[in-house]
Amino acid sequence: GENVEQHPSTLSVQEGDSAVIKCTYSDSASNYFPWYKQELGKRPQLIIDIRSNVGEKKDQRIAVTLNKTAKHFSLHITETQPEDSAVYFCAATPRGFGNEKLTFGTGTRLTIIP
Amino acid sequence: DVKVTQSSRYLVKRTGEKVFLECVQDMDHENMFWYRQDPGLGLRLIYFSYDVKMKEKGDIPEGYSVSREKKERFSLILESASTNQTSMYLCASSLWVPMGSLDAGYTFGSGTRLTVV
Repeated sequence: GENVEQHPSTLSVQEGDSAVIKCTYSDSASNYFPWYKQELGKRPQLIIDIRSNVGEKKDQRIAVTLNKTAKHFSLHITETQPEDSAVYFCAATPRGFGNEKLTFGTGTRLTIIP
Repeated sequence: DVKVTQSSRYLVKRTGEKVFLECVQDMDHENMFWYRQDPGLGLRLIYFSYDVKMKEKGDIPEGYSVSREKKERFSLILESASTNQTSMYLCASSLWVPMGSLDAGYTFGSGTRLTVV
């Protein structure tokens, strides 16, 4: 089955700086890579996702890049703000092949320092 | 506009008790999932279901069972609760996605924090 590794486990950045979280996956059939944000005491929510037929996707201050050859993908947050403080989870799945389950990374606790 | 509802936010149960965690979604999603969330371990899949009365084991099914009698409801059952099942339990649902279609992602419930004493 799929195995997803996520680094770092904790990350602190100054407000206004950029943050990068990296994930690697093992199953070359995986084709869908979402990122979830979980604020303290709240449910995880999808913030951005990417499919294997594109290399990069942006949505305002967040972007995700995918390197299929190396089997890794990354979340980039620019101009960080205090409300970006949360735990972020990456995930991967070979979606569309009758397999709908996501395999999650272990999470990154991001702290934005004012 | 809560779309995935977990019946309890906090539960305290005794070792050996049979525990039911309920999850209901109102989005007509085919897929439903139960994960547990532990510090440093992320989200680990316990069981999932693609359709009514269907269930499949996830990565850590031992000590758990599930029931899906109606499309909107997916129950997680701890047959005999143990202290190592103290955790945050998250239910999620998603649309079945045909190959080539847009991905819908998961919608999570708010979680049930279970403490077994």
